[in-house]
Amino acid sequence: SQTIHQWPATLVQPVGSPLSLECTVEGTSNPNLYWYRQAAGRGLQLLFYSVGIGQISSEVPQNLSASRPQDRQFILSSKKLLLSDSGFYLCAWSASLDSVGYEQYFGPGTRLTVT
Amino acid sequence: RKEVEQDPGPFNVPEGATVAFNCTYSNSASQSFFWYRQDCRKEPKLLMSVYSSGNEDGRFTAQLNRASQYISLLIRDSKLSDSATYLCAVFYGGSQGNLIFGKGTKLSVKP
Repeated sequence: SQTIHQWPATLVQPVGSPLSLECTVEGTSNPNLYWYRQAAGRGLQLLFYSVGIGQISSEVPQNLSASRPQDRQFILSSKKLLLSDSGFYLCAWSASLDSVGYEQYFGPGTRLTVT
Repeated sequence: RKEVEQDPGPFNVPEGATVAFNCTYSNSASQSFFWYRQDCRKEPKLLMSVYSSGNEDGRFTAQLNRASQYISLLIRDSKLSDSATYLCAVFYGGSQGNLIFGKGTKLSVKP
């Protein structure tokens, strides 16, 4: 069965510090991968998605970046965090679109507080 | 322009009640629809997928009305453990498989 991991689970970082969040998927090949942010009391905001190694698409302009160095690894980064970057960061995967169904499955998330 | 809209609630219902949530979407070309459940401070978990007119799984029934562009989630015989936020998601097509999520409807089931 497929599993998705994220770490760390919780993070407190000062403004201006760098960020690196990691997501890995097991039990599937060539998944689509997604990074979302959920701010307090708000909906899920899609930040980045990737359909393959090295292929990254950004949904919103921001000071974050994403990379996919391996098929089942997705990394979210920032060089300098802002207070507005605080939130619940969720990684998700879905099967590649040559199969039926577009369900996305979420990792446990990283709760980031920028102070 | 909001593409997926949900009543934020909260819906406060007694145990055993039947409760229904609606989710409206703006793009008539939408192909697939999903309901997720999100517990407080946890990740969303897939509850049901809706590809045709509807789907049923035990106490949960999802229905799709393409003419009026909404999907609904019906929960029968509510349990305390059903208390959560329910998110609606819509797939609009395209090669990347992106879903558009509503902001969720909060349900609180009371004893």
